Amino acid sequence: QKEVEQNSGPLSVPEGAIASLNCTYSDRGSQSFFWYRQYSGKSPELIMSIYSNGDKEDGRFTAQLNKASQYVSLLIRDSQPSDSATYLCAAHGSGNTGKLIFGQGTTLQVKP
Amino acid sequence: GAGVSQTPSNKVTEKGKYVELRCDPISGHTALYWYRQSLGQGPEFLIYFQGTGAADDSGLPNDRFFAVRPEGSVSTLKIQRTERGDSAVYLCASSSRQGGEQYFGPGTRLTVT
Repeated sequence: QKEVEQNSGPLSVPEGAIASLNCTYSDRGSQSFFWYRQYSGKSPELIMSIYSNGDKEDGRFTAQLNKASQYVSLLIRDSQPSDSATYLCAAHGSGNTGKLIFGQGTTLQVKP
Repeated sequence: GAGVSQTPSNKVTEKGKYVELRCDPISGHTALYWYRQSLGQGPEFLIYFQGTGAADDSGLPNDRFFAVRPEGSVSTLKIQRTERGDSAVYLCASSSRQGGEQYFGPGTRLTVT
């Protein structure tokens, strides 16, 4: 069973701090990785995609990928209370499939 | 432009009944996906369409579940003889290509009583 693992949290950080969210995956054939934000009662919203090793920055968000370690992370700088949500890590399944394999999500709480 | 839309937003049905859930993808997106999400879990893959054909239906839990996409745009997920365990949020997503970024609709919350 191909898996994506995340710590369910909650991860609590003070406003203005850096939040670090981590994810590991088991399928070495996965090539594409995604971070989604999900507010309570809402559907997942894509915030970052990463396809190659290294860092990718977009505003306050930085995604990091290390394929050798099968590790993906998301850093949120200058965390705001509005960032409080569940963050889902997803890996694109290997082979001829379009499916995403999701972790269970990490709940982030940003305290004012 | 318009995002992915799903109808109905909520559906309550009795055990044993048949339900249909509809998804309208982002215009021009050829790939369409159905997922199911239970409370406290990440979305779980059900089926993937590339155009009109089901390219991967390995996530459908059993033969009570079926999905179609006859014209390569709108898709319908069909569940026969519903069971209480089918209660979940059913999410639809679309993308412009396999392996590309997937954008989710608002979901349909299905409750089987």
